[in-house]
Amino acid sequence: GDSVTQMEGPVTLSEEAFLTINCTYTATGYPSLFWYVQYPGEGLQLLLKATKADDKGSNKGFEATYRKETTSFHLEKGSVQVSDSAVYFCALSMYNNNDMRFGAGTRLTVKP
Amino acid sequence: GAVVSQHPSWVICKSGTSVKIECRSLDFQATTMFWYRQFPKQSLMLMATSNEGSKATYEQGVEKDKFLINHASLTLSTLTVTSAHPEDSSFYICSASPLEIVGHTQYFGPGTRLTVL
Repeated sequence: GDSVTQMEGPVTLSEEAFLTINCTYTATGYPSLFWYVQYPGEGLQLLLKATKADDKGSNKGFEATYRKETTSFHLEKGSVQVSDSAVYFCALSMYNNNDMRFGAGTRLTVKP
Repeated sequence: GAVVSQHPSWVICKSGTSVKIECRSLDFQATTMFWYRQFPKQSLMLMATSNEGSKATYEQGVEKDKFLINHASLTLSTLTVTSAHPEDSSFYICSASPLEIVGHTQYFGPGTRLTVL
């Protein structure tokens, strides 16, 4: 079935380091792809999304490009901050809201 | 922004008792609410989709008599874990889709951690 596999953490970086969190997907069709972020004590928030191949989603300095050829949607940020410490979830959705599939989540800790 | 709350944030109960978890959309109306379950270090797994005024749609393998869902209004859905057992201990997360926004938008609650002794 449709699924998402993301890099397991935890990931610990120093402030201003470059971040990559890998995410690959398996789907029978053409999914929409998402990155959600969960800050401590809060709900999941949509960070960015892409709905078709070669689309790039971006928000708050984070970027991810929908790569159909490698079935990937890796999350990147050029310079992380302490405030980026959170759990990041990759997800896909087929056709409608009902079919949201999540990765296991990657915990990021950024140290000053 | 769209805010979804859950109550309680954590609950401990004895085996055999029932526990009700509330999910509320605070500043928007939601035609559809979703219930997820998350085990430690694992993905969020969709349990059921709840539509206001109709019966919930459960995912395969989820016992509808075990996990009762009621979506009585456009701002409230409840999940009741009946006759809870230790294997029901988990993190339960709800999300809601606003009435006026279409396509792939879900706003998530902070989750409820259930521990069954």
